[in-house]
Amino acid sequence: AQSVTQPDIHITVSEGASLELRCNYSYGATPYLFWYVQSPGQGLQLLLKYFSGDTLVQGIKGFEAEFKRSQSSFNLRKPSVHWSDAAEYFCAVARGSSASKIIFGSGTRLSIRP
Amino acid sequence: GAVVSQHPSRVICKSGTSVKIECRSLDFQATTMFWYRQFPKQSLMLMATSNEGSKATYEQGVEKDKFLINHASLTLSTLTVTSAHPEDSSFYICSASVGTGSHIQYFGAGTRLSVL
Repeated sequence: AQSVTQPDIHITVSEGASLELRCNYSYGATPYLFWYVQSPGQGLQLLLKYFSGDTLVQGIKGFEAEFKRSQSSFNLRKPSVHWSDAAEYFCAVARGSSASKIIFGSGTRLSIRP
Repeated sequence: GAVVSQHPSRVICKSGTSVKIECRSLDFQATTMFWYRQFPKQSLMLMATSNEGSKATYEQGVEKDKFLINHASLTLSTLTVTSAHPEDSSFYICSASVGTGSHIQYFGAGTRLSVL
């Protein structure tokens, strides 16, 4: 069965510092991978996605993620975080023959230290 | 583009009443819409998938008579929580995609349901 693991429940980084959020997936075929961000009480916004091709994908707000098949990982990175990046981040994988259903990881809450 | 509007953003109701939540795609036609439930500090759990003009497909463990989903048009899906009870209190989020095989979902802002 497909699954997504985000091992870090909560991460705190200083403003201006670099960030890496971890994500590991379990899927039998080539996965469709996503990172979403959720601000408190809000819906989800797509940061970036990987379907195929270049394994380093660029997203919005200065985020990027790298697909590593050998490690079954899709970690999210940002070189310098801003206070406005404080939010909940979800890694997700699409499943099913139509690839339209999405399974979400448990999320990582990011706090920014001034 | 690709805006999904969800209404209401917050609703408080008495136990035993029914609540309807609307999900609209404002600038695109959504062939497929999804309904999720999110418990505090937890991830999103898919409740059901609905395609325009057909019955919704519910995930295992979701009571279809409890959570009625209607997708009557390409821009509107509704979720009705029937005979709501306090345990139904949660954050409900809808999403919409274009085409049955689309991998991209656009999310609404969610509805906070509190059942007293």
